Amino acid sequence: DGGITQSPKYLFRKEGQNVTLSCEQNLNHDAMYWYRQDPGQGLRLIYYSQIVNDFQKGDIAEGYSVSREKKESFPLTVTSAQKNPTAFYLCASSGLAGVTDTQYFGPGTRLTVL
Amino acid sequence: AQSVTQLDSHVSVSEGTPVLLRCNYSSSYSPSLFWYVQHPNKGLQLLLKYTSAATLVKGINGFEAEFKKSETSFHLTKPSAHMSDAAEYFCVVSFITGFQKLVFGTGTRLLVSP
Repeated sequence: DGGITQSPKYLFRKEGQNVTLSCEQNLNHDAMYWYRQDPGQGLRLIYYSQIVNDFQKGDIAEGYSVSREKKESFPLTVTSAQKNPTAFYLCASSGLAGVTDTQYFGPGTRLTVL
Repeated sequence: AQSVTQLDSHVSVSEGTPVLLRCNYSSSYSPSLFWYVQHPNKGLQLLLKYTSAATLVKGINGFEAEFKKSETSFHLTKPSAHMSDAAEYFCVVSFITGFQKLVFGTGTRLLVSP
């Protein structure tokens, strides 16, 4: 089956810890995205990548970091600098970069700070 | 500037009655518009998209939406609600600014009663 997988489904972080959320796609898509979802709000863009070894900050990148070493993988690290990391994190991908295309979403990771 | 306003945070219907979820958009360009559905603790699933072809767009699960430029609206409808339609629905405007950026509405929660 083609699709996007995210792991883990639930993640708990202690204060001062960095944690990494995994996102893998087997759709052969060029572009990948990370979004954050908070209750009562729409999704907000954290980072995006249009090609391997390149990524750009989105609207709320502070306290987060990413890498894109392989086309199919786009992990997100939530650092201790992110002051309010408790949220639902969604990864997405689209086939073509820089054009209007459908973004397909993974099942999400719910991060909770203890 | 691109923006999306979902006019109702909650909509309640009875099973078998019509569904109307309202969305207005603001866009400097000819917009591309999407509706996504999200079931609890799940990722987003594409219902339908408008990309300047036919103004009446048919999607999955019996949903459709009509693009009305004069009213800057893209309302989502379904003739007969099913219990499985209970979910959160997001209206999204897409535009290209070096990459494909999605701007999300705040969502409408659809409640379906027996």
